[in-house]
Amino acid sequence: DVKVTQSSRYLVKRTGEKVFLECVQDMDHENMFWYRQDPGLGLRLIYFSYDVKMKEKGDIPEGYSVSREKKERFSLILESASTNQTSMYLCASSLFPPVPGFSDEQYFGPGTRLTVT
Amino acid sequence: KQEVTQIPAALSVPEGENLVLNCSFTDSAIYNLQWFRQDPGKGLTSLLLIQSSQREQTSGRLNASLDKSSGRSTLYIAASQPGDSATYLCALYNAGNMLTFGGGTRLMVKP
Repeated sequence: DVKVTQSSRYLVKRTGEKVFLECVQDMDHENMFWYRQDPGLGLRLIYFSYDVKMKEKGDIPEGYSVSREKKERFSLILESASTNQTSMYLCASSLFPPVPGFSDEQYFGPGTRLTVT
Repeated sequence: KQEVTQIPAALSVPEGENLVLNCSFTDSAIYNLQWFRQDPGKGLTSLLLIQSSQREQTSGRLNASLDKSSGRSTLYIAASQPGDSATYLCALYNAGNMLTFGGGTRLMVKP
């Protein structure tokens, strides 16, 4: 079974703090994704990565950065946390890199509920 | 840009009823479609994945169908149980492994 783990289920941080959210997958997947989920707005893609040290912006990258130093680990970084970044953050991974005419299933972690006060 | 709509946004049914959740999308050039379940405060649990060449998938009491030409998918739940209470999300895979989610249907099954 594919396992995607996230470092914390719940996190409380103060405005202005630097925050790291960690995601690890154990199935040698090429692709990893970070989403945030908010009531009324659904799930939105923040960043994704197709390979080590590679990153691409999603729909809402402002205020975030990412790091992928190893294939199994994808970190989401809030350089200076703000209250509007209070949200549920979900990480996902999928096996294959993008290939024309093919799309691969994403597997999701349990989520991290971040509160910024 | 792909838009995914789920109707109804919320649904309350008595235990034992068969029910249908709807998902519609604007761009039929999709690859796969996936239905997820989400319990309050938790992550996403995959229920069914329908590949673009398929028309339906079944797992236990769940059956999902896909009609690309009309831009619709349905999730059928037979003999609903209180444990089925959750939010159900429809998500579409586009080119490049990108997922677009619907807003979800919040289901309550009353004993």
